[in-house]
Amino acid sequence: DAGITQSPRHKVTETGTPVTLRCHQTENHRYMYWYRQDPGHGLRLIHYSYGVKDTDKGEVSDGYSVSRSKTEDFLLTLESATSSQTSVYFCAIARNLETQYFGPGTRLLVL
Amino acid sequence: ILNVEQSPQSLHVQEGDSTNFTCSFPSSNFYALHWYRWETAKSPEALFVMTLNGDEKKKGRISATLNTKEGYSYLYIKGSQPEDSATYLCAFGLQGAQKLVFGQGTRLTINP
Repeated sequence: DAGITQSPRHKVTETGTPVTLRCHQTENHRYMYWYRQDPGHGLRLIHYSYGVKDTDKGEVSDGYSVSRSKTEDFLLTLESATSSQTSVYFCAIARNLETQYFGPGTRLLVL
Repeated sequence: ILNVEQSPQSLHVQEGDSTNFTCSFPSSNFYALHWYRWETAKSPEALFVMTLNGDEKKKGRISATLNTKEGYSYLYIKGSQPEDSATYLCAFGLQGAQKLVFGQGTRLTINP
């Protein structure tokens, strides 16, 4: 299994509060991705990174920001959480443009 | 915006039956086609990656084929078992892109 962890694994927060999710890898992979799982949509890409300090938007990036200050960590921040951001968030890593390996997921509930 | 379509969206199959489902993707600028298996409350796991037209991959009772010229891939499961119940995702890799585009998945339920 790829060495990829996500923290926290579960989070309950209130509308309007900022939330940061962390993805940590021990594989030294170049590419890191944040997805959200939504019924009927499968996985939707929020943001991704192709190197330290190199990030780009995915298809559902509004209300989210990311940072990657070192290879092993990719942070996803919900600037002001809304109920529509209640979801399961998955981080994925890839060495190149081949197979992506997914973390265990973070369940976020915004009340 | 690239469109990756999977059909059917859901499927119920009797244990022991064989089944198959489809992933459709753009036929131009193809780089790779991935299949993932995603069990409820777990994270997606890679099954196959295919890059060449005509590729066929097999893992146990599961196999996949690829037609890049017409833009489709089939996933086959022979002799379905309850443990095959999962959502099967395909993902399209475009030449020059740094991300995959996922289909919405086919949710497979095996009835004992």
